[in-house]
Amino acid sequence: GAGVSQTPSNKVTEKGKYVELRCDPISGHTALYWYRQSLGQGPEFLIYFQGTGAADDSGLPNDRFFAVRPEGSVSTLKIQRTERGDSAVYLCASSLIGRDTEAFFGQGTRLTVV
Amino acid sequence: GENVEQHPSTLSVQEGDSAVIKCTYSDSASNYFPWYKQELGKGPQLIIDIRSNVGEKKDQRIAVTLNKTAKHFSLHITETQPEDSAVYFCAASPHGSSNTGKLIFGQGTTLQVKP
Repeated sequence: GAGVSQTPSNKVTEKGKYVELRCDPISGHTALYWYRQSLGQGPEFLIYFQGTGAADDSGLPNDRFFAVRPEGSVSTLKIQRTERGDSAVYLCASSLIGRDTEAFFGQGTRLTVV
Repeated sequence: GENVEQHPSTLSVQEGDSAVIKCTYSDSASNYFPWYKQELGKGPQLIIDIRSNVGEKKDQRIAVTLNKTAKHFSLHITETQPEDSAVYFCAASPHGSSNTGKLIFGQGTTLQVKP
């Protein structure tokens, strides 16, 4: 596609429910990243995929958060037993691998837990 | 781990004036410093970046300077226009990573350019 696509753009869920957020990276981009952006803050790194494997998941806040990228393209961020504090914009970015590359961000999914 | 501080949090200038946003970082091994512009309801968009082997980089009205000794870098926008109004984020790539997408972001600066 022309850019990184994230769906849905908005998601409202009840506390305790399970949610899945989807990211379609730019075609051919091996690297994929998930970030979380709280209101008025900069994005915070969650997890990085190189191909199908999670190369760095040091930013995941706890074991309620999990992400997959089974075929090395589309990725899904999964949040179990959602809490009100999980409310934020979840951003996905993709890039080529290497030194002189640029990370392209999607428009984000705004998650609201009520 | 890496920590990035950004100032000011808000900045208001008249159209045509210059705007300067400053950031400091803590990890001396960081070697990649991008700046992103984020408009309301959109994802961050890269506007300029600099690597640790250069001290300054310019692209039309935008320039970035890097002082590795002092561990700070700045964004300069000249001849500001109303369409420059947005939130700007600085970022650093920790531990000298060649992975340019794993970034530590500053807190953001809301720039308002008054016509």
